[in-house]
Amino acid sequence: DVKVTQSSRYLVKRTGEKVFLECVQDMDHENMFWYRQDPGLGLRLIYFSYDVKMKEKGDIPEGYSVSREKKERFSLILESASTNQTSMYLCASRGTGDMNTEAFFGQGTRLTVV
Amino acid sequence: KNEVEQSPQNLTAQEGEFITINCSYSVGISALHWLQQHPGGGIVSLFMLSSGKKKHGRLIATINIQEKHSSLHITASHPRDSAVYICAVRTGNQFYFGTGTSLTVIP
Repeated sequence: DVKVTQSSRYLVKRTGEKVFLECVQDMDHENMFWYRQDPGLGLRLIYFSYDVKMKEKGDIPEGYSVSREKKERFSLILESASTNQTSMYLCASRGTGDMNTEAFFGQGTRLTVV
Repeated sequence: KNEVEQSPQNLTAQEGEFITINCSYSVGISALHWLQQHPGGGIVSLFMLSSGKKKHGRLIATINIQEKHSSLHITASHPRDSAVYICAVRTGNQFYFGTGTSLTVIP
């Protein structure tokens, strides 16, 4: 009954590497989100997308980019990973509609940049 | 400034105790979500509320729109309830998250 799938649970990358975090949802949702979660700071929005090829910056987009070529897939890209991007990354999706549309979260990717 | 404040930050309870976690928010909302995050990271949505009260098993969530306040109650707590509980409010497509309440239930 998995609805939002993130490609990796744990990832270790070197400083300067290009990193791709993938998120796939099977609910035909228009809206998809990428968050990072850090102790004491909670979840912070990096980017979101409200349709294929559409994207909006969130609160902390610096150092990140995103790609949404297909409706079901939303990729987060770290062009040149840095140690301050070590964090838990969470993907979410939500349909468009009234206030009663539920949001679903992935299982998270814990990224360590060394 | 935090749009969503949760209390307490940490909570330790004995098995069987009744638990309450509080959430206050300062923005107008479309809906409020209670989320559960177990060690390892995955987040599960427990409730989505826009008014009143919802119950699912031993979990009860209430919201008072006028007071901008919500509570999550756990009756007859169990060690498997140990997790971080996160309050999130949604305005349109924008989510605001609390920093979470870490609950430990001791056998």
